[in-house]
Amino acid sequence: DADVTQTPRNRITKTGKRIMLECSQTKGHDRMYWYRQDPGLGLRLIYYSFDVKDINKGEISDGYSVSRQAQAKFSLSLESAIPNQTALYFCATRPSGSNTGELFFGEGSRLTVL
Amino acid sequence: DAKTTQPNSMESNEEEPVHLPCNHSTISGTDYIHWYRQLPSQGPEYVIHGLTSNVNNRMASLAIAEDRKSSTLILHRATLRDAAVYYCILRGNAGNMLTFGGGTRLMVKP
Repeated sequence: DADVTQTPRNRITKTGKRIMLECSQTKGHDRMYWYRQDPGLGLRLIYYSFDVKDINKGEISDGYSVSRQAQAKFSLSLESAIPNQTALYFCATRPSGSNTGELFFGEGSRLTVL
Repeated sequence: DAKTTQPNSMESNEEEPVHLPCNHSTISGTDYIHWYRQLPSQGPEYVIHGLTSNVNNRMASLAIAEDRKSSTLILHRATLRDAAVYYCILRGNAGNMLTFGGGTRLMVKP
């Protein structure tokens, strides 16, 4: 089983709909991240959380919100999806105090907004 | 966060060494240099990181210029499974997030 699990893996929705992407991890890490990947643009950080009570905006947070329901769960919501939010979304985790700073990524959630 | 510059793509022959360059001229003294790679249809995975000294691990080597304004990821013998997008990223000592640029797409020819 994957240590970082994202659901759904694929989703097609319509403009204006509310969408939630979920991320759960079994690694016991306290830090969790949501990234968005568009072709040719690499990955851009949307939101990150250092623990359950700590939420921070990344470079492209507009149009998104997050919820850290528990240490192991970090959800990304699109309140009213629009076509330019069509992208591949990745969740990642990292333990605090990590010597390497290594991020562990999920397999991605592909979202298409029509 | 300081920016990095990488070539969009590179080609290599199987079983030959590959040197992937990265420029980071605005790097600060406390920025770590990280490399990740993304295989097709997968999330990125950690490859290696360093601060000042060259580093080796089972996957690759990282050569860091003396002025730290550039670095090179070295794959000693490329395999077809090494075909991926390689990202060079800087992480500040106080910065806990990594922002990924466009990366270098490595193609490995048999």
